[in-house]
Amino acid sequence: NAGVTQTPKFQVLKTGQSMTLQCAQDMNHNSMYWYRQDPGMGLRLIYYSASEGTTDKGEVPNGYNVSRLNKREFSLRLESAAPSQTSVYFCASRPVLNEKLFFGSGTQLSVL
Amino acid sequence: EDKVVQSPLSLVVHEGDTVTLNCSYEVTNFRSLLWYKQEKKAPTFLFMLTSSGIEKKSGRLSSILDKKELFSILNITATQTGDSAIYLCAVERGNKLVFGAGTILRVKS
Repeated sequence: NAGVTQTPKFQVLKTGQSMTLQCAQDMNHNSMYWYRQDPGMGLRLIYYSASEGTTDKGEVPNGYNVSRLNKREFSLRLESAAPSQTSVYFCASRPVLNEKLFFGSGTQLSVL
Repeated sequence: EDKVVQSPLSLVVHEGDTVTLNCSYEVTNFRSLLWYKQEKKAPTFLFMLTSSGIEKKSGRLSSILDKKELFSILNITATQTGDSAIYLCAVERGNKLVFGAGTILRVKS
């Protein structure tokens, strides 16, 4: 039972480079989320997709784009990475509203 | 603006102690409050609370919600070193979960 799978687990970028973080879930969940976690700041929502075909901004969307490729996959793209985007990124999913989130194992991203 | 505030930010206790973690919130259209435990990697689910005054319990952990005063507490009795973690509180608002900054708990043997 894979659950929520994120790739890569670690990444180092130079300022200005672009990259895509991949997320896939095999639980047939409708809603998917991208969070970032910085020390002392908890988890902050970047973007979410309530259902296949829809995406919405969260608290900190600037510098990011997302794609809900299909029901299983939700990717996060950094077009021009900045040091302020150094963080741990978590993808999460849940079946419907008012249900708990299931998290992936995270991506540690460093932007130099 | 939605706010979820956890306290204390960190604490150190000895094995066997009882701890109480606090979570207060100001969120419009409140639906539920959730507690997660985070060790090295992904947060793992502990409790979901939707009704005031009903305690949820799992082993040595318990939690209760007060919707009138807008807060929740997470109690851990007879703490063990394996309880060392970050404890996250999150409040459901619409289709989003708003997280607090977390409480870092360290249990010394």
